[in-house]
Amino acid sequence: QVQLVESGGGVVQPGRSLRLSCTASGFTFSGNALHWVRQAPGKGLEWVAVISYDGSNQFYADSVKGRFTISRDNSKNTLYLQLNALREEDTAVYSCARGTSVSSQWMKRLNLDRWGQGTLVTVSS
Amino acid sequence: QSVLTQPPSASGTPGQRVTISCSGSSSNIGTNYVYWYQQRPGTAPKLLIYTNDQRPSGVPDRFSGSKSGSSASLAISGLRSEDEAYYYCAVWDDSLSGLFGGGTKVTVL
Repeated sequence: QVQLVESGGGVVQPGRSLRLSCTASGFTFSGNALHWVRQAPGKGLEWVAVISYDGSNQFYADSVKGRFTISRDNSKNTLYLQLNALREEDTAVYSCARGTSVSSQWMKRLNLDRWGQGTLVTVSS
Repeated sequence: QSVLTQPPSASGTPGQRVTISCSGSSSNIGTNYVYWYQQRPGTAPKLLIYTNDQRPSGVPDRFSGSKSGSSASLAISGLRSEDEAYYYCAVWDDSLSGLFGGGTKVTVL
């Protein structure tokens, strides 16, 4: 069955960096776009970033553009999110989600059909 | 405050029909597909509706989606206790980012 497992969360001071990982199994990893979505404590969902099936294209929310980098290693079935210059408002559970396998306008298709359970990032001094 | 506007709450008694709105603009809902997610407390979101009005396999036909202009709606008919959850709309914005609505908490009275 499809599984997505995040890791790498923790407590970090403002301005520092962290790298999150999402290891996938149960499907052809290189066939799908992948997304990161976050949820601050007691708040709603916030879309963070998406990467194409081959890693050649990425898009970001304005709130993280220039600070976060999404990447993937299809040989390791792993998705990454590099978080730099962290702020207290970045505190959230970060979840990876499987996106579309359709190539046409792939970034616009927000049918996230499998999600991980998330990893908590706490930014605090 | 989200670019996609949803009512913070909705409620109904068992068997009733509840409708949740999602208001956007020409650069998002007006141009692109709308998706709906259900999230129960402590669990990952679940895809309910894709491409405006399609249900994934396993989603009951009590759930239906529609879109008109720059607004979309999710309807839940025959409301059941297990439908108590948060519901989010999602759409791509042509400023090149994804968007979620602020979420609507559905309560079954």
